[in-house]
Amino acid sequence: QITLKESGPALVKPTATLKLTCTLSGVSLTTTGVGVGWIRQPPGKALEFVALIYWDDDERYGPSLESRVAITKDTSRNEVVLTMTNMNPVDTATYFCTHINVVTSLPFDVWGQGMLVTVSS
Amino acid sequence: EIFLTQSPGTLALSPGDRATLSCSASQPLTIYLAWFQQKRGQPPKLLIYGVSTRAPGIPDRFSGSGSGTDFNLTIDRLEPDDFAMYHCLQYGISPRTFGQGTTLEIK
Repeated sequence: QITLKESGPALVKPTATLKLTCTLSGVSLTTTGVGVGWIRQPPGKALEFVALIYWDDDERYGPSLESRVAITKDTSRNEVVLTMTNMNPVDTATYFCTHINVVTSLPFDVWGQGMLVTVSS
Repeated sequence: EIFLTQSPGTLALSPGDRATLSCSASQPLTIYLAWFQQKRGQPPKLLIYGVSTRAPGIPDRFSGSGSGTDFNLTIDRLEPDDFAMYHCLQYGISPRTFGQGTTLEIK
């Protein structure tokens, strides 16, 4: 059974850099086809694709955030890290990490519970 | 970037009714269109992928259809547990994009 768990700060100050970690269990980040993505959802609003990294290190980013975001993976820890610079109150959202497998063609079939990140001074 | 427009924004129906939710794309899609259900305080749950394939464990009351720029999610015989928010996602063209969501509420 695949599970994902987000961790990181619940509160960050404006202009700070956010670092969120997604810990994957039940599948390895080195397995062909596996990817882990970050999706965010401001309170009461729509889902927004943030970033995605695949087993082969291919990275994809949402266009509105691409200049501020980096996604990396640590295969020894089976973790994916999202870094977002210059945080702003409009970045207040629940950040979800999610699994994708291009071999099975199942998009975002497993999600973490999500983590609410509030940007405030 | 492909934009997805979901309609209606809110749909009020009764248990036992049939719900039809729409997702319209700004340019033609291939088969990479998915639907998710999200209940308050929970992460989204994959219902349909590849336009019409149900995800594992999803009952056959849920069905997806469409092609080109227009896609539908149909839910037959609505049950109380079905009242939630629904999102469409296109994942064939980078960047992946979501619609703004449809809220299905009890009339």
